[in-house]
Amino acid sequence: SYVLTQPPSVSVAPGQTARIPCGGNNIGSKSVHWYQQKPGQAPVLLVYDDSDRPSGIPERFSGSNSGNAATLTISRVEAGDEADYYCQVWTSTSDVFGSGTKVTVL
Amino acid sequence: EVQLVQSGAEVKKPGESLRISCRGSGYSFTNYWISWVRQMPGKGLEWMGKIDPSDSYINYSPSFQGHVTISADKSIGTAYLQWSSLKASDTAMYYCARRMTTVTTSYFDPWGQGTLVTVSS
Repeated sequence: SYVLTQPPSVSVAPGQTARIPCGGNNIGSKSVHWYQQKPGQAPVLLVYDDSDRPSGIPERFSGSNSGNAATLTISRVEAGDEADYYCQVWTSTSDVFGSGTKVTVL
Repeated sequence: EVQLVQSGAEVKKPGESLRISCRGSGYSFTNYWISWVRQMPGKGLEWMGKIDPSDSYINYSPSFQGHVTISADKSIGTAYLQWSSLKASDTAMYYCARRMTTVTTSYFDPWGQGTLVTVSS
């Protein structure tokens, strides 16, 4: 089965840039989607098809995907961005989530 | 507004049966698959399976095949997740999500608010 690897945690100071990697074998050939989950809340779609944002998602959130890693970038980090972030891909047999990354705003 | 509204929290004993629900509104329910996702306490998201409400075709994750049953009633725009004999290890938050698809991929938007299932003797 296909495995997506994320670091357990990322720390970033307010106003700085956070980069969250999502590793997978030849992930650049797949479309990667990202979700934000704040404590006690359901996940929310943040980025789809590698780099597209649903309406209402700030431009500070962006995505890229190439080779064996996709990346979610959060620019000008705010305290409200503190949350868990999950990547997700579709394979021919199932949908797969990454293990999740907890972003801490210092 | 597109919404998925799930049934309320449940507390059950091991061996009991349970069915939780997910009602869609604000869109054509039969045009989109519904997926179920498990989140165990303090853990990540796990895809359980999906159903096409138009014909009730179901695809389970191998990890959940045989342990749960997914169904839907298109006449009332509702999908279900059920257990015939709960275990303590079924304690988790369960989310339903509308599955958006293109030719090459799928993703989930929106999600239901979640149903917390607690199994304890």
